[in-house]
Amino acid sequence: GIQVEQSPPDLILQEGANSTLRCNFSDSVNNLQWFHQNPWGQLINLFYIPSGTKQNGRLSATTVATERYSLLYISSSQTTDSGVYFCAVMNYGGSQGNLIFGKGTKLSVKP
Amino acid sequence: EAQVTQNPRYLITVTGKKLTVTCSQNMNHEYMSWYRQDPGLGLRQIYYSMNVEVTDKGDVPEGYKVSRKEKRNFPLILESPSPNQTSLYFCASSLRWTGRSDTQYFGPGTRLTVL
Repeated sequence: GIQVEQSPPDLILQEGANSTLRCNFSDSVNNLQWFHQNPWGQLINLFYIPSGTKQNGRLSATTVATERYSLLYISSSQTTDSGVYFCAVMNYGGSQGNLIFGKGTKLSVKP
Repeated sequence: EAQVTQNPRYLITVTGKKLTVTCSQNMNHEYMSWYRQDPGLGLRQIYYSMNVEVTDKGDVPEGYKVSRKEKRNFPLILESPSPNQTSLYFCASSLRWTGRSDTQYFGPGTRLTVL
């Protein structure tokens, strides 16, 4: 099945710094999403981005489907950005609906 | 308020005692699914449903059952729980399934401990 790899696995930033998180996937996808899991365990959808670029405030994401990767940019990081960021993809496959998650990038933003 | 709800939020049980975790969404979503989250393994899909009476296995379906009799509800059933099913469980839903699925909305999670 499709493999999803995220890097780096851990990231420590000083408040105000910028960062780039990467998601590589091993096969064509028709769905790619980025999620943030906060320290209380809640999972929040950040972007639905199977291709192209989107921006939402300090966060933006770019997916280059032909090269099988996606990037999540966090600018001017804040302590509330801490948590785990997951990339998830859904493979082409007719009626299949299996969403595959990467293992995540754990981000810690220090004040 | 649009949301996905799960109950219970926390559960401690013993091996072999059947349990059901409920999941309900009020957004008229077609697609619903269950995930488990374990340290070092990330989130893995257990079962999903593309619509009423349509369910299919995800990556880790063993030991679980689901049903989708109504659009809004998608309960997860553990007929005979075992300690290796101790985990954090999430229910999720999205608007439609057309071969392409859109944004997933997650419930708050259910932390299950099987002794």
